Amino acid sequence: KAGVTQTPRYLIKTRGQQVTLSCSPISGHRSVSWYQQTPGQGLQFLFEYFSETQRNKGNFPGRFSGRQFSNSRSEMNVSTLELGDSALYLCASSLGDRTDTQYFGPGTRLTVL
Amino acid sequence: AQSVTQLDSQVPVFEEAPVELRCNYSSSVSVYLFWYVQYPNQGLQLLLKYLSGSTLVESINGFEAEFNKSQTSFHLRKPSVHISDTAEYFCAVSSAGTSGSRLTFGEGTQLTVNP
Repeated sequence: KAGVTQTPRYLIKTRGQQVTLSCSPISGHRSVSWYQQTPGQGLQFLFEYFSETQRNKGNFPGRFSGRQFSNSRSEMNVSTLELGDSALYLCASSLGDRTDTQYFGPGTRLTVL
Repeated sequence: AQSVTQLDSQVPVFEEAPVELRCNYSSSVSVYLFWYVQYPNQGLQLLLKYLSGSTLVESINGFEAEFNKSQTSFHLRKPSVHISDTAEYFCAVSSAGTSGSRLTFGEGTQLTVNP
């Protein structure tokens, strides 16, 4: 079974631009969660999508948004990029229950200049 | 709301020595507990999890963790470490009080195994 894939793996943007990251979950998984990982803040939950609906949301500004398609693939968008948005963005897929194992992708490394 | 504290940011040990990585959590409701490992330039992989039942849980590569409700802890142990265990380890919780898949992570512990 193929694992979680994320594209692109690396991205360089400048302040003020916007960016879209993509995540393809494990086949059969209906939940996709996004996390931001930085040296200063650690791993922080952004949001979770389940069956095309946002089910949970973390404490991030509205510049961070996402969506999920009918095939469970998910995209995350960040508008008006700031230097502090530089981070590793991880997505994780699962069957959807809070006891289920979340399987993480390798991440997208975003650098904002 | 819940929180997770990993008491050591870095743990250096020698090969074949025992190791304990400490994790404490805070929550007003029941939680499920997880340990994940992250190797350089990779995503996170589940090591083990506690949902219910026996308070001692084991992984296939020799790690174990014990859930202690009275001390709100979930420490990770291995009796003899290998060089290949060098990685960052994250303790995480999900709340029984909320629906969906949302993990709250600790700050991480960098385990470095030296020859």
